[in-house]
Amino acid sequence: DAGVTQSPTHLIKTRGQQVTLRCSPKSGHDTVSWYQQALGQGPQFIFQYYEEEERQRGNFPDRFSGHQFPNYSSELNVNALLLGDSALYLCASSVGNTGELFFGEGSRLTVL
Amino acid sequence: QKEVEQNSGPLSVPEGAIASLNCTYSDRGSQSFFWYRQYSGKSPELIMFIYSNGDKEDGRFTAQLNKASQYVSLLIRDSQPSDSATYLCAVKRSNTGKLIFGQGTTLQVKP
Repeated sequence: DAGVTQSPTHLIKTRGQQVTLRCSPKSGHDTVSWYQQALGQGPQFIFQYYEEEERQRGNFPDRFSGHQFPNYSSELNVNALLLGDSALYLCASSVGNTGELFFGEGSRLTVL
Repeated sequence: QKEVEQNSGPLSVPEGAIASLNCTYSDRGSQSFFWYRQYSGKSPELIMFIYSNGDKEDGRFTAQLNKASQYVSLLIRDSQPSDSATYLCAVKRSNTGKLIFGQGTTLQVKP
């Protein structure tokens, strides 16, 4: 049983560019949450997707957007990248909005 | 005031000792409480959750919740070097999927 898979694992972008990160949830899970984790900090909630809709959103600007597909997989898009967007982006899946999350290994984004 | 506060540590304990990790939260509407463990360079993994006041035990781990004091703790008995990691406290309201994490406490268990 595959767990949560994320791609790419590492990527480097320059300021102003756009990035798309992808996530496939654990089998049987229908909800995907995205988190940003800066070095030495706890994960910060970006948003959560359920039934292809954004159900909850954290304090992130509109540059951060997402999508969930009928097969429950999800994408995180970040436009107009800033240096401060450099972080580990974690995808977590769950059944419904329980806090029992299963995390992927993350996508480490570096913005130069 | 941060929504979930933890002492960043590091907390250093000798092998075999009890490690006590603490967390306070500000939202009195929080209903569910979680402890995640994150090894260096890895993603967080759930180790325990607690919903009711009191203690909940799972092997060497005990979670303690006091909603009146808005306080959650995690005790690790017979600490092992393999327990060395960052422990993240997380809380959520029952009607929302927004799980709020603290900054984590780094635990070092010395042989």
